[in-house]
Amino acid sequence: GAVVSQHPSWVICKSGTSVKIECRSLDFQATTMFWYRQFPKQSLMLMATSNEGSKATYEQGVEKDKFLINHASLTLSTLTVTSAHPEDSSFYICSARDRRTSGGAETQYFGPGTRLLVL
Amino acid sequence: AQSVAQPEDQVNVAEGNPLTVKCTYSVSGNPYLFWYVQYPNRGLQFLLKYITGDNLVKGSYGFEAEFNKSQTSFHLKKPSALVSDSALYFCAVRDWKDSWGKLQFGAGTQVVVTP
Repeated sequence: GAVVSQHPSWVICKSGTSVKIECRSLDFQATTMFWYRQFPKQSLMLMATSNEGSKATYEQGVEKDKFLINHASLTLSTLTVTSAHPEDSSFYICSARDRRTSGGAETQYFGPGTRLLVL
Repeated sequence: AQSVAQPEDQVNVAEGNPLTVKCTYSVSGNPYLFWYVQYPNRGLQFLLKYITGDNLVKGSYGFEAEFNKSQTSFHLKKPSALVSDSALYFCAVRDWKDSWGKLQFGAGTQVVVTP
């Protein structure tokens, strides 16, 4: 099956620092990747859609200058939380669409998530 | 706008009993429907999806779901629950017109299977 990895799995940082999270599709190419944020016992909130070779599209209310997304290749997207603050502490999950399928039938495959704690 | 509702925050079931997790959807066109499961501190695992065709969809780990267009529902079922099925379950819908494939997730239903 399709595998998506995330690195790191957890990170603790000081307030004001920047944190980069990587999302990789290991055995397929992903033209589109998605970044979600999840608070404890809540649903996933879509933050942005990342397309390879183009600028990410952010959902309403998500600060694009704070959450920088780069999709440099068909297997890698990165999310950088800039000048992190305690309120940015959350569980960040990425997902990827397999470009081999089309027509809407494709499945999103999810990474294992990254737990961010900002002190 | 598309949306999906999971009316139950939690479902409790004894091991060996049937398990049902409810989901209703609202979408302007033809729906693409998905079920995912999430274990603690993990990402989501794909269970099954409905795109078109047979209304009864079979998925991973013995789960199945029935698409009911008249009731706009896509309930997840398992004939005999296991303790290991205890997890958080998400229903999701995608509008077939959305070229990027964005999913709208329900709030999630916590399933607790007791021995």
